[in-house]
Amino acid sequence: EIVLTQSPATLSLSPGERATLSCRASQSVSIYLAWYQQKPGQAPRLLIYDTSNRATGIPARFSGSGSGTDFTLTISSLEPEDSAVYYCQHRRTWPITFGQGTRVEIK
Amino acid sequence: EVQLEESGGGLIQPGGSLTLSCAVSGLIVSANYMSWVRQAPGKGLEWVATLYTGVATYYSDSVKGRFTISRDNSKNTLNLQMSRLRAEDTAVYYCARSYYDGSDYHNYFDYWGHGTLVTVSS
Repeated sequence: EIVLTQSPATLSLSPGERATLSCRASQSVSIYLAWYQQKPGQAPRLLIYDTSNRATGIPARFSGSGSGTDFTLTISSLEPEDSAVYYCQHRRTWPITFGQGTRVEIK
Repeated sequence: EVQLEESGGGLIQPGGSLTLSCAVSGLIVSANYMSWVRQAPGKGLEWVATLYTGVATYYSDSVKGRFTISRDNSKNTLNLQMSRLRAEDTAVYYCARSYYDGSDYHNYFDYWGHGTLVTVSS
């Protein structure tokens, strides 16, 4: 099983600041990594797939990069509505696994 | 508009059985890869099972042999039969569709239901 480790656990930033979230895989997942946003009481929302492709309707301030074992989700300029928990997920092999999440708080 | 709506959750005793359903509109269940993903209270996301467009199914080790994913084409629903339930199965269960890029399916989840809560407790 591929373990995904996200860091930091919590990120507290002000509106307009840049957020950088990390996801590290225990073995290579190639480019087969996605990012989700989940707000309280809501289902997750797909943001990024295959490392760097934005899903439909996702604002350009969200971007992804990386390959192999190290991946980054960047939110270029935080908006108040970006307050949420962010998860990474791979599809390289079975079982599909998720990271434990990074909470982004807006000051 | 695509909509997924889960039902069937509730309180069940350890060792019991429960069947969840996901009613889907706006897409054909049998023509899509469909999955169940769960989230224990206050915890992260855990993939549970996936059903491909044919008969292929995939399960997490934690549910293999206890859960069965299936679909009902006449009702356009996705189901999850759960047996020998344990306290650690307590979670909100989401059904979700694997992303389709126009030519292939990728096991990322682009459409989700709102989830149904399963509580396993005596």
